[in-house]
Amino acid sequence: NAGVMQNPRHLVRRRGQEARLRCSPMKGHSHVYWYRQLPEEGLKFMVYLQKENIIDESGMPKERFSAEFPKEGPSILRIQQVVRGDSAAYFCASSLEGGYTQYFGPGTRLTVL
Amino acid sequence: DQQVKQNSPSLSVQEGRISILNCDYTNSMFDYFLWYKKYPAEGPTFLISISSIKDKNEDGRFTVFLNKSAKHLSLHIVPSQPGDSAVYFCAAYAYNNNDMRFGAGTRLTVKP
Repeated sequence: NAGVMQNPRHLVRRRGQEARLRCSPMKGHSHVYWYRQLPEEGLKFMVYLQKENIIDESGMPKERFSAEFPKEGPSILRIQQVVRGDSAAYFCASSLEGGYTQYFGPGTRLTVL
Repeated sequence: DQQVKQNSPSLSVQEGRISILNCDYTNSMFDYFLWYKKYPAEGPTFLISISSIKDKNEDGRFTVFLNKSAKHLSLHIVPSQPGDSAVYFCAAYAYNNNDMRFGAGTRLTVKP
């Protein structure tokens, strides 16, 4: 009974490159959340998705960031033209029916050189 | 906008004593409050929660207290164990917009 899986666990990109972070929710879960944790800060909500739908993207930066959760396959958080300020740990969480019962993945640590 | 605040970045206690972690919030519309525990290189794991209509919830060594009038909650761990050493995040959830807000975390160190 695998938990939430994220890959890669560590990702290094140079400024201007693209970063793709993947999240496979727990089996049977159709709700996915992405959070970002900057150094010395708490987790900040970015986006909430259900299969093929973005429900709430109020925490997403307006430019360069996008997320999807296709009918088949993992959820993807995509960051275009990365900058040093994008360096952070990105956590994905999933839930069965939405709400506060969210299960977190181990995170992807993005480093932008 | 910091709707959930954990003002102590770190706390150190002796094994066997009580650990008290504090959290303040500003939005009276939150319905649930949660504590997550996070070890290095792992994601947060759920520890304990409390509904906004309760003032106390206990689970083994962990008890969460909610003071709605003060918009304050606390997590008590007693007795503290070295394995409790981790970062603890306070979170608050609102049903009406499915919104979860996290505090910045408190790093607890329990010394043997």
